Amino acid sequence: ETGVTQTPRHLVMGMTNKKSLKCEQHLGHNAMYWYKQSAKKPLELMFVYSLEERVENNSVPSRFSPECPNSSHLFLHLHTLQPEDSALYLCASSQEADSGYTQYFGPGTRLTVL
Amino acid sequence: SQQGEEDPQALSIQEGENATMNCSYKTSINNLQWYRQNSGRGLVHLILIRSNEREKHSGRLRVTLDTSKKSSSLLITASRAADTASYFCAHQNSGNTPLVFGKGTRLSVIA
Repeated sequence: ETGVTQTPRHLVMGMTNKKSLKCEQHLGHNAMYWYKQSAKKPLELMFVYSLEERVENNSVPSRFSPECPNSSHLFLHLHTLQPEDSALYLCASSQEADSGYTQYFGPGTRLTVL
Repeated sequence: SQQGEEDPQALSIQEGENATMNCSYKTSINNLQWYRQNSGRGLVHLILIRSNEREKHSGRLRVTLDTSKKSSSLLITASRAADTASYFCAHQNSGNTPLVFGKGTRLSVIA
């Protein structure tokens, strides 16, 4: 266990559904991240939050909407997704939002968009 | 692209053998990190090596960094079946920039 939990672990949704992914870290970290991992592609950084403030947004489509209500919780709200959005979505946290710090990853949510 | 590249893409060895994976990058870096991922799970941090370091050890793991060649290697000695996983390098470019991950090396250790 890395101290980062994600729910649900698996999610199947239609293109018109609205769903949310949840991430919680129990490490007292100040930074949290969302990554997308697709087959045969590098890990893609989606969003970075530092002390509940978004500090990085890598040109992610608006159908992905992050929310960070406090430094321990991070959500990814999904709306009108496309089949190509099917992937493993990984949440991570680190002491600070500086890549000199180790990132601790959750187990991921396997998302399938039909 | 500033993405790192791992080499080889896949590696299959017998238990007890050593496994070497390489990583190259294109820009000046602050640090380089290696992560491990079991199938369908999250990544686990293995080692961080800073740009002014040349070698680090952690148990059966040895990481080297050659900034003149913009490359790093991860050596796993006396491999075990439980080492079967994907291994990723990630580097931080100069400045406070996010980690850039490579595509990974898929290691299979056969008992």
